[in-house]
Amino acid sequence: DGGITQSPKYLFRKEGQNVTLSCEQNLNHDAMYWYRQDPGQGLRLIYYSQIVNDFQKGDIAEGYSVSREKKESFPLTVTSAQKNPTAFYLCASSISGEGSYEQYFGPGTRLTVT
Amino acid sequence: AQSVAQPEDQVNVAEGNPLTVKCTYSVSGNPYLFWYVQYPNRGLQFLLKYITGDNLVKGSYGFEAEFNKSQTSFHLKKPSALVSDSALYFCAVRPSNTGGFKTIFGAGTRLFVKA
Repeated sequence: DGGITQSPKYLFRKEGQNVTLSCEQNLNHDAMYWYRQDPGQGLRLIYYSQIVNDFQKGDIAEGYSVSREKKESFPLTVTSAQKNPTAFYLCASSISGEGSYEQYFGPGTRLTVT
Repeated sequence: AQSVAQPEDQVNVAEGNPLTVKCTYSVSGNPYLFWYVQYPNRGLQFLLKYITGDNLVKGSYGFEAEFNKSQTSFHLKKPSALVSDSALYFCAVRPSNTGGFKTIFGAGTRLFVKA
C-alpha cells in the first residue's frame, strides 16, 4: 500500500454522528483523493485536492467534507447528512499535473454506521 | 458521458491457463489507461498503464495489457494464471485533455484462479 496510511482500519458509529477518517502520505505527492467503494460499483470520487489549502468536489461529495492544511494529510469527515455512509473508504495520492500518473492507495477504512 | 466498462463481473480460469480480463472505454481524445488490482480488504495496487506507443504494455507480476484504439479496449492478459492472481481487477481511464485530475474506474472484475 505504498507510503499511505489510513486509520482506523475499521470504524463503527451510530447514526447521526460525524466521523473523521485519517489519511497520511509520505510520498511527497501534491494530489490526494478520497474514494468510496461499494460492492459492484467500483470506486466513486468524493473529493480531491491538487495542492495544500485547495480541494474540489468529486462525483458524490454530498454529506462529506475535507480539509488540506498539510501536504501529507487529507482527512475526510463523514457527516450525519450522508444518507448511506456505510462503505469502504479509500484514500489515494499521486504526482500532480496533467500527466499519466498512477495513484497510490492506502489500505482503506471500513465504516459501519448503525 | 465518459465511462469505463468491464463487461464481466467474474472470470474463472484454471491455474496455468491464459487469462483475459476485458475493459472498454468511452472517453474523448487519447486517454491514459490503467489497471489496478485489489486483494481482500486492501487498497488498490497499480499494475500497468498505457500512455502512448506500443499497443502491448507489460506490467507487474507477469501481467500485460493490449490497447486497441479502434475498439477502444484495454484488455488485461496473462499467459499463465496463478492461484495467487485471484483478486478484484479494476480498469481505469484518465482523460488527457480535461486539465483535471479525475480518473474514471470500472466496476471491477473478480478473477478466480482454480488450482
